[in-house]
Formats: sequence, structure tokens, C-alpha cells
Amino acid sequence: DAGITQSPRHKVTETGTPVTLRCHQTENHRYMYWYRQDPGHGLRLIHYSYGVKDTDKGEVSDGYSVSRSKTEDFLLTLESATSSQTSVYFCAISEPRREGTDTQYFGPGTRLTVL
Amino acid sequence: SQQGEEDPQALSIQEGENATMNCSYKTSINNLQWYRQNSGRGLVHLILIRSNEREKHSGRLRVTLDTSKKSSSLLITASRAADTASYFCATDRNTDKLIFGTGTRLQVFP
Repeated sequence: DAGITQSPRHKVTETGTPVTLRCHQTENHRYMYWYRQDPGHGLRLIHYSYGVKDTDKGEVSDGYSVSRSKTEDFLLTLESATSSQTSVYFCAISEPRREGTDTQYFGPGTRLTVL
Repeated sequence: SQQGEEDPQALSIQEGENATMNCSYKTSINNLQWYRQNSGRGLVHLILIRSNEREKHSGRLRVTLDTSKKSSSLLITASRAADTASYFCATDRNTDKLIFGTGTRLQVFP
């Protein structure tokens, strides 16, 4: 978890409310990722960023948006939270390699419950 | 969709025994990685094996890769109670994205 923090670590919210999760890194890594982890599904990529203001969708991006205005911060927003978005959310960082992706380093996770 | 599927889903062994986990994937890959996740924590990288490698070692870990069968195995030798965790394989296809499997839960009893 070194160099990567996520806030909040736990959040309970109600259906229909907006929620923003923050990932902050001190490693100056170029790539940042948001995943969700659910029982039986492993980790699934929501969105990722390959630089400031450069983002792209992952496998399960519907209902989520992201922003990256600084190298160190990557925000994940649920515009109108639904119960299906109850999950544990992980942020990860990596540096690009010439041959495929490099090791990813993960934050401690945010447990989100949508009632 | 999941690229990797781990087998078994859960494994229970005694300390000192070896633990073997398998990962199968669907399409050609560039690299395959294994990660460990302790309960309530983020994932931690263990080892990376490239598509042109067949075996790799790191301490008590041994990873094999068979690209013809689209499968990999992770062997933990002389397991310890501290090895209790979930283990995930992850693959990439020369992109900046990893695709994770569903994981194997390993329980090592003292």
C-alpha cells in the first residue's frame, strides 16, 4: 500500500446520492486504475488513466465517471449511486513498459455500501 | 469478461505442505502475473512471467507457464500460516490493462 492512499476507507450512502472516491499517489506513476471487487467476480476494471486528463473506459464503466487533473490524484464518481454499486473499490498505479503492462501497486481499498 | 480462471476456488492445507494453484486463460497473452490479497487489504504483486518464459522462481514461489494450453500454475513450497490469503492471476495482451481471474482462497493451518 506504500505511496497510495484511498479516501474514504468506508462509506455508507443512500440510493440516488452522488459519491466521489479519491485515490492519491506519491510515486509519480503515470498510469492509474480504478477496480471494483465483488464475490465471484475477482477484480474488474472500471476506468483507467494514462496521464493527466487522459482517461478511458474499462470493462464495467457504466454509472461511473473519472477525472484526473493532477498526476497524483484520480477521482472516481458515482453520479447517482445504486445498490448494485455496493462493492470494494481499489485504486492501482503502474508505469508503462515497452512490452505490455508492468506491475500494478494497489491501494488499501474503499468499502462502499449503497442502501 | 474474465480472462483468467483459477482452480481450485479454495484450498486448505497444513503448514509445511506445498500449495498449487492453477490459472487458465482464453486468449494469447504478453505477460502473466500472480498477486496475493490478504483479507481486507489491497493486492500485492508476487511474480511476473513473460509469454516466452516457461518457469520462474522467487523464494518459495515457482510459477510455470504453458502457452500452448493457455495455463499457468503457482506453487508455494513449505507453506506457512502467513501464506493464508487469496491468490489471483492477471494477464495482459501488450496493453496497459490487466485482466484478473476470480482467485483461489488458500487457508494454511498451523
